[in-house]
Amino acid sequence: EIVLTQSPATLSLSPGERATLSCRASQSVSSYLAWYQQKPGQAPRLLIYDASNRATGIPARFSGSGSGTDFTLTISSLEPEDFAVYYCQQRSNWPQCTFGGGTKVEIK
Amino acid sequence: QVQLVQSGAEVKKPGASVKVSCKASGYTFTSYGISWVRQAPGQGLEWMGWISAYNGNTNYAQKLQGRVTMTTDTSTSTAYMELRSLRSDDTAVYYCARDGDYAPNDYWGQGTLVTVSS
Repeated sequence: EIVLTQSPATLSLSPGERATLSCRASQSVSSYLAWYQQKPGQAPRLLIYDASNRATGIPARFSGSGSGTDFTLTISSLEPEDFAVYYCQQRSNWPQCTFGGGTKVEIK
Repeated sequence: QVQLVQSGAEVKKPGASVKVSCKASGYTFTSYGISWVRQAPGQGLEWMGWISAYNGNTNYAQKLQGRVTMTTDTSTSTAYMELRSLRSDDTAVYYCARDGDYAPNDYWGQGTLVTVSS
């Protein structure tokens, strides 16, 4: 099973600051990596797919990069609505998939 | 617009079974699969399995093999997930999500809380 490790577990930042979230895979997942945002009481929302493509309606402040085993989600300038938990997901062995443990972005 | 609407919350006793439904609309049901993902209270996301709405093929997470069955009814565009021999650690919110070949899960149901308690 491919294991995804997200870091840090918690990121404490202020609105307007830049957020950098990491996701590392235990083996190569090519570019089959997605990022999701989840707010309390809500279903996950797709942000980024294929490592670097923004999903429909996602603001340009969200960007993804990486390939193989190391991936990054960057939020260029945090808005109040961006404070949430973020998960990475790999689909390289579709239909199976795995999720990372999540990074919580909290208000400092 | 694409929508996945799940059935309501359930409370079950240990050892019982639960069946959660997920009704799809706004797209051709048989052109996509459905994945099921669960989230225990305060925990992360756990993939449970996948079913093709086209031909009914399934792929289950190894830890749930033998306890989970996923089915679809193409006449009503509804997917089902049944989990048997429930334990307290099966208490979670269960989500269905649309699933394309190697594609991400772009639409999700609202979630169904299943509580297992004696």
